[in-house]
Amino acid sequence: GESVGLHLPTLSVQEGDNSIINCAYSNSASDYFIWYKQESGKGPQFIIDIRSNMDKRQGQRVTVLLNKTVKHLSLQIAATQPGDSAVYFCAETQGGGSNYKLTFGKGTLLTVNP
Amino acid sequence: GAVVSQHPSWVICKSGTSVKIECRSLDFQATTMFWYRQFPKQSLMLMATSNEGSKATYEQGVEKDKFLINHASLTLSTLTVTSAHPEDSSFYICSANDAGTSGRATTGELFFGEGSRLTVL
Repeated sequence: GESVGLHLPTLSVQEGDNSIINCAYSNSASDYFIWYKQESGKGPQFIIDIRSNMDKRQGQRVTVLLNKTVKHLSLQIAATQPGDSAVYFCAETQGGGSNYKLTFGKGTLLTVNP
Repeated sequence: GAVVSQHPSWVICKSGTSVKIECRSLDFQATTMFWYRQFPKQSLMLMATSNEGSKATYEQGVEKDKFLINHASLTLSTLTVTSAHPEDSSFYICSANDAGTSGRATTGELFFGEGSRLTVL
C-alpha cells in the first residue's frame, strides 16, 4: 500500500510487501534530509539520508527519493519484515548536513502483518 | 557506531520537584547536543541546542528557567526540569554530533539517546 503523506499517519502492509512512506516538507531552503525509525519507547534510529543535490539514494533494503520541485520525500522499504514495524520520521535541515538542528515531520506508523 | 546514553531512562516524580536528565556521549566528543521533547503519538520537538562551555539556545516558546541546560564538558549535557508539573510529563530525547578529535564536526553524523520518560504525578 502507498501512503499519501502526512495526512495518513498509519500504514499497514503484509510481510514481504514493499512499503512506501511519504513526507512533505515546507522549507524550500532545506538541503539535507534524514529518515529515522523509532521503535516504541526508544530514541530515533538513523536509516538513510540524502542531500538536495541528489534525487535518489539507496541503502540496504531502503531507498529514499527526493523531489525538490514539490518538496516531497519518500522512503521505500523492500520486502518489509515484522521488525520494520515502527514509527518513521523524516527530518530536514539546512546547511548541507553540517547543521544538525533538525525539524521533524509528523511521522508514520508502519505495521507489518505476518 | 557512536553511542549516546541517557539517564535515567524513566523517572516518576511528585509535582513541584525538580528532575535532572543526563545525556552522555560515550565514545566521542560532542560540542553540540540537542534536547527534544516528544508527547505520545507526536513528533519530536526541538527544545534547545546545548553548546559546550556556553549558554544553551532555546527554541521559541521553551522556558529557559523551567528547562535548565548545562553542557559542562564535551561528553555531558544535562537537562533539569524545575518545579515539574503533570503537563511536563513527556519523553525527553537528546542527540549529539561527533565533533571529532580536533573538536570540530568531522564525521557528519548525529546520534540519538534512547530517551528519558518523565512522569509527574
